[in-house]
Amino acid sequence: GAGVSQSPSNKVTEKGKDVELRCDPISGHTALYWYRQRLGQGLEFLIYFQGNSAPDKSGLPSDRFSAERTGESVSTLTIQRTQQEDSAVYLCASRFGSQETQYFGPGTRLLVL
Amino acid sequence: GEDVEQSLFLSVREGDSSVINCTYTDSSSTYLYWYKQEPGAGLQLLTYIFSNMDMKQDQRLTVLLNKKDKHLSLRIADTQTGDSAIYFCAEILSGGSYIPTFGRGTSLIVHP
Repeated sequence: GAGVSQSPSNKVTEKGKDVELRCDPISGHTALYWYRQRLGQGLEFLIYFQGNSAPDKSGLPSDRFSAERTGESVSTLTIQRTQQEDSAVYLCASRFGSQETQYFGPGTRLLVL
Repeated sequence: GEDVEQSLFLSVREGDSSVINCTYTDSSSTYLYWYKQEPGAGLQLLTYIFSNMDMKQDQRLTVLLNKKDKHLSLRIADTQTGDSAIYFCAEILSGGSYIPTFGRGTSLIVHP
């Protein structure tokens, strides 16, 4: 498709389980970002990938959070041993290398019971 | 405190103009953005302004930037019910990673 896609769109899980969230960036976009948006809050930066460079993980809130990206394509955000405070919308965005503007996917709504 | 601040709510009557305000703190910002988020959706880029500009107009949207006061505003002319959404202001600083700092968002409510 033409835009950033994310799956699943909604995820309900039990506390303590692991979850994987997927992001398909716009084709040709070398930069990819993950954000977390808690209810009523702004966006919280989690991690940034740029090409084959080492990712910027400075926003990951704990070692339960990790992300991978295969080349310049799909990225997966994994949350291990989920906690109720992980409930949020997880947004992915991608950007073409020489431009500053990010384009967002629709997000994955995660609910941890 | 937050680097980017916005008021949380704005209520306007349909047909009136809406003005959403944002303040930021870092004078090295290069780009300032406005995103719109409708219920249950991701963020949609509305418009952006480069920090060496004072104003940018795009159809019903007008962005004003006051660098001295570090103040950014988004004016929506002839506001419609479809404009009801959360509007996020974001700044991007000089540098290579282009990691934006977002405000908490302003909920715009348009009533008849």
